Amino acid sequence: TQLLEQSPQFLSIQEGENLTVYCNSSSVFSSLQWYRQEPGEGPVLLVTVVTGGEVKKLKRLTFQFGDARKDSSLHITAAQPGDTGLYLCAGPLYGGSQGNLIFGKGTKLSVKP
Amino acid sequence: EAQVTQNPRYLITVTGKKLTVTCSQNMNHEYMSWYRQDPGLGLRQIYYSMNVEVTDKGDVPEGYKVSRKEKRNFPLILESPSPNQTSLYFCASRPRTLAQETQYFGPGTRLLVL
Repeated sequence: TQLLEQSPQFLSIQEGENLTVYCNSSSVFSSLQWYRQEPGEGPVLLVTVVTGGEVKKLKRLTFQFGDARKDSSLHITAAQPGDTGLYLCAGPLYGGSQGNLIFGKGTKLSVKP
Repeated sequence: EAQVTQNPRYLITVTGKKLTVTCSQNMNHEYMSWYRQDPGLGLRQIYYSMNVEVTDKGDVPEGYKVSRKEKRNFPLILESPSPNQTSLYFCASRPRTLAQETQYFGPGTRLLVL
């Protein structure tokens, strides 16, 4: 059973479009992180959301943590080819060790010029 | 420059031949961990360490060992590698507080066990 389900698995869009990817769970998480990974490289941390209902913005990227801390979303406005990559969410289970990070399988995003 | 280094980057070995993948960080981070990444399975945590001499199993620890004798180093040891350990391995480090947005991953080690 996958504790963190990410959807969609694959997304191919044109430059300039908006998109949202989701990270859902039936379990409560202490916090959630979003990463972007490019082929052959390690994931790069984009943001950490900690408080239920929290919204964080990073330029064209908007991250939201669900009120119940069971889900999160990433919205990209006016996507660019440089946004192409594998987007991963991860977090420690509430009540579990802060060191034990659970990862989703990711959303593979392709933005075509 | 803040970084996590892994060596080797690529390794081909045979079943049963002990190997060590090194991981080093220069940021004085308390927390370090190892992951493997496999197609269709995503990133799975092998072991993590919250500080020197403190290590804990992640989700897939079988067949692996780790040690944390110094803060900067966290080697991954495969005592008797098997083909199902063929994978892409990542080391990561961060400060104790997860909310700080300073988690770094290494560049990865691609391992093939024949």
